[in-house]
Amino acid sequence: AQTVTQSQPEMSVQEAETVTLSCTYDTSESDYYLFWYKQPPSRQMILVIRQEAYKQQNATENRFSVNFQKAAKSFSLKISDSQLGDAAMYFCAYRTNAGNNRKLIWGLGTSLAVNP
Amino acid sequence: EPEVTQTPSHQVTQMGQEVILRCVPISNHLYFYWYRQILGQKVEFLVSFYNNEISEKSEIFDDQFSVERPDGSNFTLKIRSTKLEDSAMYFCANRASSGNTIYFGEGSWLTVV
Repeated sequence: AQTVTQSQPEMSVQEAETVTLSCTYDTSESDYYLFWYKQPPSRQMILVIRQEAYKQQNATENRFSVNFQKAAKSFSLKISDSQLGDAAMYFCAYRTNAGNNRKLIWGLGTSLAVNP
Repeated sequence: EPEVTQTPSHQVTQMGQEVILRCVPISNHLYFYWYRQILGQKVEFLVSFYNNEISEKSEIFDDQFSVERPDGSNFTLKIRSTKLEDSAMYFCANRASSGNTIYFGEGSWLTVV
């Protein structure tokens, strides 16, 4: 069974600085997707970024980028030029690409504080 | 950005009562999911639903839980007799047949007292 591990329960960063959130996962599959979701205090689940396992190039969305190391099964999220609105819980999630179900398997989350 | 809409946003119910959580999916997104997040814990998969039937369910999804699309549009999660440990945020999620992204609603916060 697949598992997702986020080893940093809490992180903090100064406004305008860069922070990296860690995520590792375990799977025997080769075709899958990885996601980072953001959950602000409103508790809505917002997609931040997505990475297809078959793509070697790291995904980037504006200030958010990932470092995807498939062999190491590592998927870290880098937030550049951190803003106060980035403060939230961040979840790493894994999704198989096999079959029709494609449910998400989640890490425990990292709570990110942004200090002014 | 496509939107999944959930109602109610917050419900307080007495233990043993029935609760129905509702979800309006994105048009033509035919894969449906319910996830649960107990306060301070990880998000947990409950059930997936496609073509008017459950395609997978977790151990959490016991006989107290059921899902349906009563009018072919809305997607509901029913908890037949709520327990204190059912208190959680319940997320409806939706995916297109050819899509790789699962879109989440804003969640329904259920408090069982």
